[in-house]
Amino acid sequence: QKEVEQDPGPLSVPEGAIVSLNCTYSNSAFQYFMWYRQYSRKGPELLMYTYSSGNKEDGRFTAQVDKSSKYISLFIRDSQPSDSATYLCAMRGIDPRYQLIWGAGTKLIIKP
Amino acid sequence: NAGVTQTPKFRVLKTGQSMTLLCAQDMNHEYMYWYRQDPGMGLRLIHYSVGEGTTAKGEVPDGYNVSRLKKQNFLLGLESAAPSQTSVYFCASSQQQGTQYFGPGTRLTVL
Repeated sequence: QKEVEQDPGPLSVPEGAIVSLNCTYSNSAFQYFMWYRQYSRKGPELLMYTYSSGNKEDGRFTAQVDKSSKYISLFIRDSQPSDSATYLCAMRGIDPRYQLIWGAGTKLIIKP
Repeated sequence: NAGVTQTPKFRVLKTGQSMTLLCAQDMNHEYMYWYRQDPGMGLRLIHYSVGEGTTAKGEVPDGYNVSRLKKQNFLLGLESAAPSQTSVYFCASSQQQGTQYFGPGTRLTVL
């Protein structure tokens, strides 16, 4: 079993819909949680960064962490065709010796 | 400010050939990383460096070597390429354990 599980999709939704992307993890030591967005044939870029539990909002994006369930989510409101990309979750523990553990990524397609 | 750059962008090798991928960053970051990305596998860490002159193994280091002679550069070498090393290779850098900034990737095909 992988430490971080993420449905690869593709997830196809109509423009304007609310999108929910999720990752589950098994290591309770994880404290830092990130979402990266990767456009086709490009490198990943950081979208959201959260520490421990709770919600964080940035424009149309909301990141949610539920440590009790070992579950993180990324919500996209009013989705746009330009949001079509692969979304990767990543996480690590507090100890700086630990590297990021990555999900496999979910491919999202927003249909105009 | 170019961020993280990678050369080359594409390469085709024959089995057994060698090559070096170059990563350069102009953000004065201490940490640098080499990942490979394969369909359905996400990003897998090959090697990383926490400072000039240091390197360490990641999750999938076999068949690769690295060097960090200058702070801004991180080289990934394949001494004897194998078809299993066909992948997209990404370099990233960060300030300690902060946000990782990625390069555009190198698409490598080994025949």
